[in-house]
Amino acid sequence: DTGVSQNPRHKITKRGQNVTFRCDPISEHNRLYWYRQTLGQGPEFLTYFQNEAQLEKSRLLSDRFSAERPKGSFSTLEIQRTEQGDSAMYLCASSKVGTSGRGVRTGELFFGEGSRLTVL
Amino acid sequence: GNSVTQMEGPVTLSEEAFLTINCTYTATGYPSLFWYVQYPGEGLQLLLKATKADDKGSNKGFEATYRKETTSFHLEKGSVQVSDSAVYFCALSDPSNYQLIWGAGTKLIIKP
Repeated sequence: DTGVSQNPRHKITKRGQNVTFRCDPISEHNRLYWYRQTLGQGPEFLTYFQNEAQLEKSRLLSDRFSAERPKGSFSTLEIQRTEQGDSAMYLCASSKVGTSGRGVRTGELFFGEGSRLTVL
Repeated sequence: GNSVTQMEGPVTLSEEAFLTINCTYTATGYPSLFWYVQYPGEGLQLLLKATKADDKGSNKGFEATYRKETTSFHLEKGSVQVSDSAVYFCALSDPSNYQLIWGAGTKLIIKP
């Protein structure tokens, strides 16, 4: 069990550029979540997938944000035309719900180390 | 709707002091309850969990008991260490969709 992996760990970009983050969940997990966290705040939900289907997206999320999980395994989060307000830690988490295994029926999330975005 | 309320921080204690961080929740159904910890510069880690009433979760000397009658899940530790300095988040799993509902977090500072 290799845990949740996120890349890159840190991205510095200029305003207006596009950035993409990747998340590799725990292999048997069917759910994958993206959160955003700013300094001193709790995680802010962005979106989640069950297998390859994107089941929910935060209404507060700008259209500049898009996420995919094309084969139900890894996921990417793309931010287009970045703004300074996008600077934050982007957290990915995975879980397994509905069948036997770790975290089943409890909603327990396993987090990656996060990808820190700095927009200059 | 479902919600989690936890005590505001920062909480500052001396090493070896007793710790309590309060967490109360509002939920329909029977949620699972969690404490996550975030050490400086790191991601979120599950500290402990409880899945039904009267369950006690424990890990690294921390404990929390799922109290349905008081809708609480207070985090306790008998003797804190400097290394326990971190931000602690209480959360519940919405039983309808397993989405996590988060508290605002409590920053804990332990002084030598």
